[in-house]
Amino acid sequence: QKEVEQNSGPLSVPEGAIASLNCTYSDRVSQSFFWYRQYSGKSPELIMSIYSNGDKEDGRFTAQLNKASQYVSLLIRDSQPSDSATYLCAVNFFNRDDKIIFGKGTRLHILP
Amino acid sequence: SQTIHQWPATLVQPVGSPLSLECTVEGTSNPNLYWYRQAAGRGLQLLFYSVGIGQISSEVPQNLSASRPQDRQFILSSKKLLLSDSGFYLCAWSEIRGIYNYGYTFGSGTRLTVV
Repeated sequence: QKEVEQNSGPLSVPEGAIASLNCTYSDRVSQSFFWYRQYSGKSPELIMSIYSNGDKEDGRFTAQLNKASQYVSLLIRDSQPSDSATYLCAVNFFNRDDKIIFGKGTRLHILP
Repeated sequence: SQTIHQWPATLVQPVGSPLSLECTVEGTSNPNLYWYRQAAGRGLQLLFYSVGIGQISSEVPQNLSASRPQDRQFILSSKKLLLSDSGFYLCAWSEIRGIYNYGYTFGSGTRLTVV
């Protein structure tokens, strides 16, 4: 069964530090990888997508992908209290339905 | 630009009553459409997805149904709600180009409480 695994947290990080969120997935044949941010009571918002091995940077966010290890991570530099949210890892397993499978999310708490 | 509309934002319904949630997408054609449910403190559960008008695939057998009467309209329904149907219902759309999925865009959600 195709799965996406995340540590549920909460992960507490001091303001200004780097927050590191990790995700593993079960299927080697995966093409597209995503990180979503979900504030309490709100819908998920796509913040990063990555398709090839290596790092992808966007502002304070860096997504890292290692397909051989089936591992994807999200780094948040200079963490702010507004980064406190649940972060969902999501993977598109290559099949004709093109569905995205979501992890259960990691709760991140930035300590002022 | 593409936008997705979902309503109502909140809903309180008695057990046994019917349900109809609507979702529409603007600014794109032939999107893939999805209905998810998120129970309190739980992950996202895919309920239905659709790749075209009248084409509905169900992920979880239950008393819910979905329909896609128009290209950019997706409706979630129930004839008789159960207490276990309470949750946060999310509609989403996606665009696929080649072998890459460019991610889902979610609507603002409907918080359903069945009492």
